[in-house]
Amino acid sequence: SQQGEEDPQALSIQEGENATMNCSYKTSINNLQWYRQNSGRGLVHLILIRSNEREKHSGRLRVTLDTSKKSSSLLITASRAADTASYFCATDASRESGGSNYKLTFGKGTLLTVNP
Amino acid sequence: DAGITQSPRHKVTETGTPVTLRCHQTENHRYMYWYRQDPGHGLRLIHYSYGVKDTDKGEVSDGYSVSRSKTEDFLLTLESATSSQTSVYFCAISERNEQYFGPGTRLTVT
Repeated sequence: SQQGEEDPQALSIQEGENATMNCSYKTSINNLQWYRQNSGRGLVHLILIRSNEREKHSGRLRVTLDTSKKSSSLLITASRAADTASYFCATDASRESGGSNYKLTFGKGTLLTVNP
Repeated sequence: DAGITQSPRHKVTETGTPVTLRCHQTENHRYMYWYRQDPGHGLRLIHYSYGVKDTDKGEVSDGYSVSRSKTEDFLLTLESATSSQTSVYFCAISERNEQYFGPGTRLTVT
């Protein structure tokens, strides 16, 4: 079964606006990662946040993690048309949950469209 | 996609025929994965490898087998292809937590 679920399924915004995507998961985790997929391409790793971290930044990306709510959010600030892509969260279940940090479970993704 | 190639990139085959997809890496990463991506299902793990000749099943392994005889190559075999195996297949590699994906293989089973 899917560990991570993104919300919304699709998001359409104007260039320059901020985009926020959310991810919920079910079991305790070691890390949570976000990936981007451009149409017809493989996934590209964006950022990793560990279970003991609450917030992480990378360029225009800001990720938060709330382990008590089993949720994460990805914020893309000052969006550009080139940010148009699908965004996936991926989790690795902790050993206590029967998982390992080298085996990821991906959500179904959020399709972000940034209109010029 | 640097360091990871998949072949073929596109394939059309008939139901009942065997199909082998190849993933090749030049990064010497320990872990290799095969996923399939379908509309409405996202990315699902088929099989993975944690070393040469060390493989394990993922979420959707039925109808698939894998082999890894060298660090750099991970083969996915559909022994007898079915229409439900029409999908885009991605290979990924990893040394720690982050995974790096190949360009994908689009397989159509008619």
